[in-house]
Amino acid sequence: DGGITQSPKYLFRKEGQNVTLSCEQNLNHDAMYWYRQDPGQGLRLIYYSQIVNDFQKGDIAEGYSVSREKKESFPLTVTSAQKNPTAFYLCASSITRGAYEKLFFGSGTQLSVL
Amino acid sequence: SQQGEEDPQALSIQEGENATMNCSYKTSINNLQWYRQNSGRGLVHLILIRSNEREKHSGRLRVTLDTSKKSSSLLITASRAADTASYFCATVASGGSYIPTFGRGTSLIVHP
Repeated sequence: DGGITQSPKYLFRKEGQNVTLSCEQNLNHDAMYWYRQDPGQGLRLIYYSQIVNDFQKGDIAEGYSVSREKKESFPLTVTSAQKNPTAFYLCASSITRGAYEKLFFGSGTQLSVL
Repeated sequence: SQQGEEDPQALSIQEGENATMNCSYKTSINNLQWYRQNSGRGLVHLILIRSNEREKHSGRLRVTLDTSKKSSSLLITASRAADTASYFCATVASGGSYIPTFGRGTSLIVHP
């Protein structure tokens, strides 16, 4: 089945630790995105990538980093600089870059701080 | 960044009733999209309506768009318990970023 796979489903971070959330898609989509969702809130854009080896900051990029070395993969690292990382993280993709299209979402990763 | 705002924040109805959710936004859009999210899951795209369209249908879903009032509504007819979820509108600005910007959502509970 084609889709977006996020792992792990649950992740715990200790103080001062960096953690990486995985996002893989087999839809052959060009563009990929990371959103953060806090309880009762909408989705806020962290980073997006329109093409391999290129990515752009979203509205809340501070304390996060990404890479896009392969078309299929767009991992998100939550660094120790992110002081309030507890949230639900959603990865998404769309078919082409720069087009006004719908997004396809993964099932999310819940990150909590120990 | 532009953000749609849904109304009401929460809606509780009985099975078989219709559910209406509204979304208002502030600037010109290329399109407006509605998504559904079941608890603890990712979002699923429902309908995309472009700025030159006024109404779209998909099964039991009906979406309207009024660009003069900068608002949209999502109507779910003959609701079922399985429709229980959060519903989000997302706006895509015209002439700017092509990336959808999401509102806070409407939480819908359908009682069997």
